[in-house]
Amino acid sequence: GQSLEQPSEVTAVEGAIVQINCTYQTSGFYGLSWYQQHDGGAPTFLSYNGLDGLEETGRFSSFLSRSDSYGYLLLQELQMKDSASYFCAVTTGGFKTIFGAGTRLFVKA
Amino acid sequence: SAVISQKPSRDICQRGTSLTIQCQVDSQVTMMFWYRQQPGQSLTLIATANQGSEATYESGFVIDKFPISRPNLTFSTLTVSNMSPEDSSIYLCSVAPGSRGNEQYFGPGTRLTVT
Repeated sequence: GQSLEQPSEVTAVEGAIVQINCTYQTSGFYGLSWYQQHDGGAPTFLSYNGLDGLEETGRFSSFLSRSDSYGYLLLQELQMKDSASYFCAVTTGGFKTIFGAGTRLFVKA
Repeated sequence: SAVISQKPSRDICQRGTSLTIQCQVDSQVTMMFWYRQQPGQSLTLIATANQGSEATYESGFVIDKFPISRPNLTFSTLTVSNMSPEDSSIYLCSVAPGSRGNEQYFGPGTRLTVT
């Protein structure tokens, strides 16, 4: 089967750093993406890793290790507006994307 | 990136009826996807709709229940047919301007309630 595992919830304080992990088991792999979704909103694209290593976009960074079938999203200098659900997603053959169950991030003052 | 609109934003429908959801994109894109999402849950891919070819449905979704049209590179429709309360969900369309579908942009969604 195909599966993505990520924590269901993470809580952190404003200004802190938080890491959301994602492990995957899929048939076919082109890359790992991350999406943010606020309550009542649509998912928005954050980052993509097709190769091993770290990608940085402002306060957000994403990492991939293809050999370990593992990636993470790192959020720095947390702000209250970062409270949302974060989904990891694997793009497989045929351009199909499989989403993880999502991690709900709570940022406290 | 791409800007996507969906109609309707929400609807309440009677069981046994059908609803057609429209998805409009502000630029031409080859790959378009339709997802279903229960509130607080993950996104489940219904089908991939590429212009010029038949939609490709995922396991558990069939064309008779979810017919899709893709008449051009900026527009698609998803119909939810013969609805039951189990079809109550949020339906989202997305597009992938890139080559592999790894960077997707989503419409605002259609919240469907079937009574």
